[in-house]
Amino acid sequence: DQQVKQNSPSLSVQEGRISILNCDYTNSMFDYFLWYKKYPAEGPTFLISISSIKDKNEDGRFTVFLNKSAKHLSLHIVPSQPGDSAVYFCAAMALLYAAGNKLTFGGGTRVLVKP
Amino acid sequence: DAGVTQSPTHLIKTRGQQVTLRCSPISGHKSVSWYQQVLGQGPQFIFQYYEKEERGRGNFPDRFSARQFPNYSSELNVNALLLGDSALYLCASSLVGGETQYFGPGTRLLVL
Repeated sequence: DQQVKQNSPSLSVQEGRISILNCDYTNSMFDYFLWYKKYPAEGPTFLISISSIKDKNEDGRFTVFLNKSAKHLSLHIVPSQPGDSAVYFCAAMALLYAAGNKLTFGGGTRVLVKP
Repeated sequence: DAGVTQSPTHLIKTRGQQVTLRCSPISGHKSVSWYQQVLGQGPQFIFQYYEKEERGRGNFPDRFSARQFPNYSSELNVNALLLGDSALYLCASSLVGGETQYFGPGTRLLVL
């Protein structure tokens, strides 16, 4: 049972345009969400996060939106740059779980930014 | 400051063998978590340790074990390797009570 899903395995976008990545979750206990970016042969790099008490968090070109009622979050990258080409993972955490701050990941979305 | 470091970077083993992977967290981070990433999937949680105690365990068999040392570094051990254990093994560190986990480059394990 996949508790975090990224339904688009890939996304292609022109340089300078907006990239929108989507993520859905099913576990209502999740209260903290993170986006990671991964290049081949490297570990995931933390990008941005959001707590369930907020509906938007912005950091430079990256903005994450959270819709708790729909159990949906999205990552907007504006403007997209060729260096943004990577695999992006959505991850969720239930802070109050006794099992520590375990991250549950989606399957990833491969983003290609064309010059 | 150094990030999370892992060793070795690559490893080839045969079925039935045992493997030990190592991780050093970011300085000041006392919590270490291990994840397995199979090709084409997102990372799957294996263990979390802090203060040298296991604080969380994912859905992995008892062949997988780990420990944390007084300097907060950690080892992941896998016994009786199966072909399906071939994966990228990721270590992440965080502050105790911190929400954000920072990942190392991973150890790529190939079981033949």
